[in-house]
Amino acid sequence: DAGITQSPRHKVTETGTPVTLRCHQTENHRYMYWYRQDPGHGLRLIHYSYGVKDTDKGEVSDGYSVSRSKTEDFLLTLESATSSQTSVYFCAIRTTGGNTGELFFGEGSRLTVL
Amino acid sequence: TQLLEQSPQFLSIQEGENLTVYCNSSSVFSSLQWYRQEPGEGPVLLVTVVTGGEVKKLKRLTFQFGDARKDSSLHITAAQPGDTGLYLCAGRDGNKLVFGAGTILRVKS
Repeated sequence: DAGITQSPRHKVTETGTPVTLRCHQTENHRYMYWYRQDPGHGLRLIHYSYGVKDTDKGEVSDGYSVSRSKTEDFLLTLESATSSQTSVYFCAIRTTGGNTGELFFGEGSRLTVL
Repeated sequence: TQLLEQSPQFLSIQEGENLTVYCNSSSVFSSLQWYRQEPGEGPVLLVTVVTGGEVKKLKRLTFQFGDARKDSSLHITAAQPGDTGLYLCAGRDGNKLVFGAGTILRVKS
């Protein structure tokens, strides 16, 4: 199984503060993804990375930035958290290539912005 | 971004009943995946379908990809309480995976 860990698993913060979520993989998968999950919306893509320092936006990227300085780490930053960013955030790695591109997910990071 | 619509949003049935969950889009996908998610955990891949008309079986679960590769269905035979969870379909859109909103399944014993 692919090893993927997210930290922190739970965080409560106040509006306007910066927050960084970390995703760490133990294998050398090229593609990594950040999704947010909210009731009634399924999983929505925030940003993804296709290599070190190579990133691209997803459908809900406003208010978020990402960085990938090493293959194993993909960071998601909320520069100034808002209540609308209260959500569960999932990191995923793409474990297969070609036409299938199956994803393996972390356990999620629950963020509450007060 | 291509959109996927899942129906029903919520399904509550008795143990032993059969059910079908649908995933529809107006767009063509190169492949479609089904995931199952339990509370407090990340989604876990169940199956990937690639070819139009393809049918795959996973024990009591049968997955079908539409001939035009725009829709898919998940059929569960004789549902068990252990099947309870959130079922998500996802379609490949280039390097991205687009998810439907999900179907919450509750199987009562």
